[in-house]
Amino acid sequence: AQSVAQPEDQVNVAEGNPLTVKCTYSVSGNPYLFWYVQYPNRGLQFLLKYITGDNLVKGSYGFEAEFNKSQTSFHLKKPSALVSDSALYFCAVSSYSGAGSYQLTFGKGTKLSVIP
Amino acid sequence: EAGVAQSPRYKIIEKRQSVAFWCNPISGHATLYWYQQILGQGPKLLIQFQNNGVVDDSQLPKDRFSAERLKGVDSTLKIQPAKLEDSAVYLCASTIRGTASMNTEAFFGQGTRLTVV
Repeated sequence: AQSVAQPEDQVNVAEGNPLTVKCTYSVSGNPYLFWYVQYPNRGLQFLLKYITGDNLVKGSYGFEAEFNKSQTSFHLKKPSALVSDSALYFCAVSSYSGAGSYQLTFGKGTKLSVIP
Repeated sequence: EAGVAQSPRYKIIEKRQSVAFWCNPISGHATLYWYQQILGQGPKLLIQFQNNGVVDDSQLPKDRFSAERLKGVDSTLKIQPAKLEDSAVYLCASTIRGTASMNTEAFFGQGTRLTVV
């Protein structure tokens, strides 16, 4: 069975500093990995995904993620944090669920707080 | 493009009462998901539809939860009777095609926040 671990419940970073939100995964076969962001009272919004190819994936709002197969990690990064980046971040893995379709399994989330 | 619509946004009920949530996915999206997000946890899949057929309902508590997607478009999730531990946000999501879902992101609605007292 596939699973995702986000080891940090909360990450605090000063505005303008680089940020990293960690994610490790466990899957059988090739991993299909996603990052989503959730703002208060909002649904999840897609940030970026890794399917195959370049290990550094670029996504929305200046975020990027680095896929590392040997460490089974998919850490989310941003060179310079903004206060508006403060939100809940979820890592997820996609797996086949039958009838030609797939489903997402999510980590428990990491709360990012960017301090002015 | 209109997003995934869910209603109601908030619902407060007493335990043992029943409640229903509605979801209208993005037009043309074949796959629809219902997720339960308990405070402090990541979303957990309850049920997945491909058109009007159930693909996966292995984590749906079938003694009290039910869901349908009769015409392959909008969907209803029902809880009867509700328990205190059902307090959560119920998220609906959709993807354009089942076969493309491997590399196609899911689009989520704003969710329904259920409080059972």
